Amino acid sequence: AQSVTQLGSHVSVSEGALVLLRCNYSSSVPPYLFWYVQYPNQGLQLLLKYTTGATLVKGINGFEAEFKKSETSFHLTKPSAHMSDAAEYFCAVSGSAGNGNNRLAFGKGNQVVVIP
Amino acid sequence: DTGVSQNPRHKITKRGQNVTFRCDPISEHNRLYWYRQTLGQGPEFLTYFQNEAQLEKSRLLSDRFSAERPKGSFSTLEIQRTEQGDSAMYLCASRLSTNEKLFFGSGTQLSVL
Repeated sequence: AQSVTQLGSHVSVSEGALVLLRCNYSSSVPPYLFWYVQYPNQGLQLLLKYTTGATLVKGINGFEAEFKKSETSFHLTKPSAHMSDAAEYFCAVSGSAGNGNNRLAFGKGNQVVVIP
Repeated sequence: DTGVSQNPRHKITKRGQNVTFRCDPISEHNRLYWYRQTLGQGPEFLTYFQNEAQLEKSRLLSDRFSAERPKGSFSTLEIQRTEQGDSAMYLCASRLSTNEKLFFGSGTQLSVL
């Protein structure tokens, strides 16, 4: 079984400051890891994903995340926050291909507020 | 690519009534998923289909819940004898079995009074 932990339901960041959202995962098999963003009244959109290969992955809108197996972490960062980054962010994990696990397990999410 | 479409967007019902939601996935996607999301929580997996076959169901899916995907295209999720605890956002998502990227619909918000 897989699970993720996201701490701090609400995160406030000043415009232009670093955005850092923490995600720690638990998985009995090699994980696939994802970050999704949800804007009001819209469906979840994929920001980025890690499956295999390079541990630093870049996504849309200037976000990136680094897979650290030793720390079981997949933290999301963006160097400079924009007002348009205000949204809810979810980390998710699934089993890797061939491990028969097709479901995504989501964290509770972080509501990001950008302060002008 | 017209995206994943869900109807209705909102549903208000009285306790004990039956409700049905519809999901139209992206046309070439063979996998379809249902999730439930309550306030302050991330989406929770309910069930998924590969083509018309329902391959996995969560223990969250009680006997009052049933999902179908009769022709491997659209899917319906029915809740019988609704309870107030069923109030949630019901999300549908689809993908190709060869690609991990999951596309979500905007959801159906169910309120049980």
